[in-house]
Amino acid sequence: DAKTTQPTSMDCAEGRAANLPCNHSTISGNEYVYWYRQIHSQGPQYIIHGLKNNETNEMASLIITEDRKSSTLILPHATLRDTAVYYCLFGVNRDDKIIFGKGTRLHILP
Amino acid sequence: DVKVTQSSRYLVKRTGEKVFLECVQDMDHENMFWYRQDPGLGLRLIYFSYDVKMKEKGDIPEGYSVSREKKERFSLILESASTNQTSMYLCASSFPASGHPYQETQYFGPGTRLLVL
Repeated sequence: DAKTTQPTSMDCAEGRAANLPCNHSTISGNEYVYWYRQIHSQGPQYIIHGLKNNETNEMASLIITEDRKSSTLILPHATLRDTAVYYCLFGVNRDDKIIFGKGTRLHILP
Repeated sequence: DVKVTQSSRYLVKRTGEKVFLECVQDMDHENMFWYRQDPGLGLRLIYFSYDVKMKEKGDIPEGYSVSREKKERFSLILESASTNQTSMYLCASSFPASGHPYQETQYFGPGTRLLVL
């Protein structure tokens, strides 16, 4: 079973910020939170990852709560090309199998 | 840029055939993975390998085997294909980031859509 909980789907208007939540209450202290996305008919694509501090790169921002039990991926100005399934995951210890879960299907509305 | 390639985008095989899915990465990554993806089930890990000739079972290894003879190549083998193995197969590779042995960003190939008749 997936160790994270994400909404099944979300809608966001084009040009607005898309905020995708993820619960990962069983995460341990040395495990990073990763976000990937999968555009239709393509392999998943890495977006961003973080441990404790908020992170930002050219694709997105990642906000991690102080207790690390949840995080939010922010796409600041969503475009139609951001329509995809977004996966939140953790557990990259070699002895711990990585589980992607079902992700959130994000629809960007024109 | 990291490049992960898979031998075929689409493949049609018959029940009982032996099927080889090949994956090659060009970034000298230690870790390689095979997943399958089915509607409503997300990505499920079949096998992964953290070094040449090393392999570990994922969540759904039954009916599959793997081979890693060279660092850049990881093969998934369906010994006797069955219709329930019709799926999208995704290969990925990763390299532990310096200073963070358990931090691994995975890079995925484009996928192979396999149909078993």
